[in-house]
Amino acid sequence: GENVEQHPSTLSVQEGDSAVIKCTYSDSASNYFPWYKQELGKRPQLIIDIRSNVGEKKDQRIAVTLNKTAKHFSLHITETQPEDSAVYFCAAKREYGNKLVFGAGTILRVKS
Amino acid sequence: ETGVTQTPRHLVMGMTNKKSLKCEQHLGHNAMYWYKQSAKKPLELMFVYNFKEQTENNSVPSRFSPECPNSSHLFLHLHTLQPEDSALYLCASSQGPRIKLKEGYTFGSGTRLTVV
Repeated sequence: GENVEQHPSTLSVQEGDSAVIKCTYSDSASNYFPWYKQELGKRPQLIIDIRSNVGEKKDQRIAVTLNKTAKHFSLHITETQPEDSAVYFCAAKREYGNKLVFGAGTILRVKS
Repeated sequence: ETGVTQTPRHLVMGMTNKKSLKCEQHLGHNAMYWYKQSAKKPLELMFVYNFKEQTENNSVPSRFSPECPNSSHLFLHLHTLQPEDSALYLCASSQGPRIKLKEGYTFGSGTRLTVV
């Protein structure tokens, strides 16, 4: 079945540094790749998403890159701030499929 | 408020109890989902409903029984659960199977379930 692997499981960075989280997916028909942020005790919230017809998308300090050939995509956060501390989930889905499959999550800690 | 409301927020139940989780969305979405979130595991898709019809059952044990009376409401009926079913149960909704960029799924705050 579909599978999404996410690494690392935990990531600690100094405030102001960059953070990179990587995911690989198994279903070659996947073409929608969102990233969610879940703060402690709160619901997951969409922070950025991309379709496979583009290789990169940027929104202020966050960016996502996609390599469809290798079936992996990454989240990049620049100039990290303490409020970026949270659990980040990647996910993958087919265009009209019903299954949004999530990675296991990355706990990001930004130290001030 | 994000538009997806789940009740109760917390639930403690015995293994012989029967209880129900409720989800309601006010976003005009046509698809609703149940996910299970356990510690150190990926969000696990349980059920998908499109236009009130169940379109996905991800091999969920029959002690979990979903119900979708209309596009705005989703229930998860629970009976004879096991302690390993303790988890955060998240409801989500979307416009439809095809996700619009920058919209994604809208999640509820979840029900923290403890089975004793």
